[in-house]
Amino acid sequence: GAGVSQSPRYKVAKRGQDVALRCDPISGHVSLFWYQQALGQGPEFLTYFQNEAQLDKSGLPSDRFFAERPEGSVSTLKIQRTQQEDSAVYLCASSLGSSGRYEQYFGPGTRLTVT
Amino acid sequence: AQKVTQAQTEISVVEKEDVTLDCVYETRDTTYYLFWYKQPPSGELVFLIRRNSFDEQNEISGRYSWNFQKSTSSFNFTITASQVVDSAVYFCALSARNGNDMRFGAGTRLTVKP
Repeated sequence: GAGVSQSPRYKVAKRGQDVALRCDPISGHVSLFWYQQALGQGPEFLTYFQNEAQLDKSGLPSDRFFAERPEGSVSTLKIQRTQQEDSAVYLCASSLGSSGRYEQYFGPGTRLTVT
Repeated sequence: AQKVTQAQTEISVVEKEDVTLDCVYETRDTTYYLFWYKQPPSGELVFLIRRNSFDEQNEISGRYSWNFQKSTSSFNFTITASQVVDSAVYFCALSARNGNDMRFGAGTRLTVKP
């Protein structure tokens, strides 16, 4: 079956540009997560959706970061006025349920480079 | 607060050697879940195993085995008879009961040389 897909796989943006990163979770998965992974580091939690509700956005680094999942399926992470420190791989994950016991399935990530 | 520590940044072994990747965690929750993920050079995180805090039984899956010890807050991962294809970055992760905030360690880069 289809896994989690993300697009684009690579994105180069000039500082100050807005970017939008897309995530298609596994069909039927209730929970959707966004993570930021800096080079040589583990993924850092950004935000969490349960269906269309954004239940936790405590990890978003600034108000330039915005995520949505309007119909409880596809999600978009938007970064406004990109800065060089935003350069990272952005990972999306989905899981079947809303409890911590469910493993998360990850997409291939979007590598964002801000020049 | 939850925290995962993987003290080994990089490990290099020769094929067929056994190797253990260490993971130590901190949490105040009584119910929690521990995970190991593999991130090969392609970049996609691959789920390997999940353990819950009430089950301390060790688990073996082929060449992989996991040792969960609550007394030392550790969840170590051993690869027996390592192969070149095992080369990857391995992440240990911790999730609370509500599941909306998985904490990852910094990862251990394993290189298996032929």
